[in-house]
Amino acid sequence: EAGVVQSPRYKIIEKKQPVAFWCNPISGHNTLYWYLQNLGQGPELLIRYENEEAVDDSQLPKDRFSAERLKGVDSTLKIQPAELGDSAVYLCASSETGNTEAFFGQGTRLTVV
Amino acid sequence: AQKVTQAQTEISVVEKEDVTLDCVYETRDTTYYLFWYKQPPSGELVFLIRRNSFDEQNEISGRYSWNFQKSTSSFNFTITASQVVDSAVYFCALSEVGDYKLSFGAGTTVTVRA
Repeated sequence: EAGVVQSPRYKIIEKKQPVAFWCNPISGHNTLYWYLQNLGQGPELLIRYENEEAVDDSQLPKDRFSAERLKGVDSTLKIQPAELGDSAVYLCASSETGNTEAFFGQGTRLTVV
Repeated sequence: AQKVTQAQTEISVVEKEDVTLDCVYETRDTTYYLFWYKQPPSGELVFLIRRNSFDEQNEISGRYSWNFQKSTSSFNFTITASQVVDSAVYFCALSEVGDYKLSFGAGTTVTVRA
């Protein structure tokens, strides 16, 4: 069975440019998460979806970040405009429900120059 | 406030040595879940174990074992007879019922030398 798939794996952009990350969760998983991982730190939740609904986006910087999960499957996370401080790894994860173990993708490493 | 504390930043051992990773958590909930994840250099977080707060029974899976003690709010992880492939960053995480997000510790980098 395929795991969580993310693309791209790496992205280098100039500051003030837009960027988007894509995530395909494990089939049948209703819950999807986007986490941010800074170097040397543990991941921190940005947003959690239950099917199509964003049920926890309290940590998402809404002035520049947006996310969507159309049809309750794939999800896209966007940053516009990107800032130097956004350089990090963006991890997508999915789980069957909100309380079961989450499985992570390999992440997208973003470098803003 | 930090909910999960992994006091050990880095641990270096020689192959076949045992290594224990400490994890101390903080929560006011009586029902919660604890997790361990492994992050190898490839970057993907690999799920290792989930334990609910009502199950204090220790668990062993191959060379891995976990010691859950509610009295000290600890959920420690031991790798027995370590191997080079065990080299990775290990994260402990807490999930509170109703919150459904993982609160991760800062991670412990384990380096196993041949």
